[in-house]
Amino acid sequence: QKEVEQDPGPLSVPEGAIVSLNCTYSNSAFQYFMWYRQYSRKGPELLMYTYSSGNKEDGRFTAQVDKSSKYISLFIRDSQPSDSATYLCAMSESGGSYIPTFGRGTSLIVHP
Amino acid sequence: EAQVTQNPRYLITVTGKKLTVTCSQNMNHEYMSWYRQDPGLGLRQIYYSMNVEVTDKGDVPEGYKVSRKEKRNFPLILESPSPNQTSLYFCASSPTGVETQYFGPGTRLLVL
Repeated sequence: QKEVEQDPGPLSVPEGAIVSLNCTYSNSAFQYFMWYRQYSRKGPELLMYTYSSGNKEDGRFTAQVDKSSKYISLFIRDSQPSDSATYLCAMSESGGSYIPTFGRGTSLIVHP
Repeated sequence: EAQVTQNPRYLITVTGKKLTVTCSQNMNHEYMSWYRQDPGLGLRQIYYSMNVEVTDKGDVPEGYKVSRKEKRNFPLILESPSPNQTSLYFCASSPTGVETQYFGPGTRLLVL
């Protein structure tokens, strides 16, 4: 069983939809949770990170962490075609030098 | 412009021929790291460095070497490449650690 599970998709939605992207994990020691966006043939770009449980919002993006269920989510409001990319979740037991574990990524397609 | 640069972007080589992939960042970050990205496996950390002359193994260090002689540079060395090292490689840097990484554009390596 992989430590971090992420549905590869693709997830196809119409422009303007609310998108929900999710990851589950098995290591209860994970404390830092990151979301990256990766466009085709580009490097991952950090969208946001959260520490422990709770929500964090940045513009159209909201990250949620439910440690009791070992489940994290990224919500995208008012999705745009420019949001079409692969979204990677990542987790680590601490910040700093701890080795992160990445999900395989979910491919999102937002069609006009 | 704040960025992480990698060279070369594309490389085809043969088994056993030593190669170096360079990584440089202009953000004065102390933390730097190398990852490989393979289909179905997600990003896996190869090596990381918390500061000059301080390096440590990630998840998949076998067959790789790194050095950190200057703060801005973190080259990845494959002394005797093998076909199973064919992959997409990313360098990243951060002011704090794994939770806030900035990734480079990637180097696509093919080992014949």
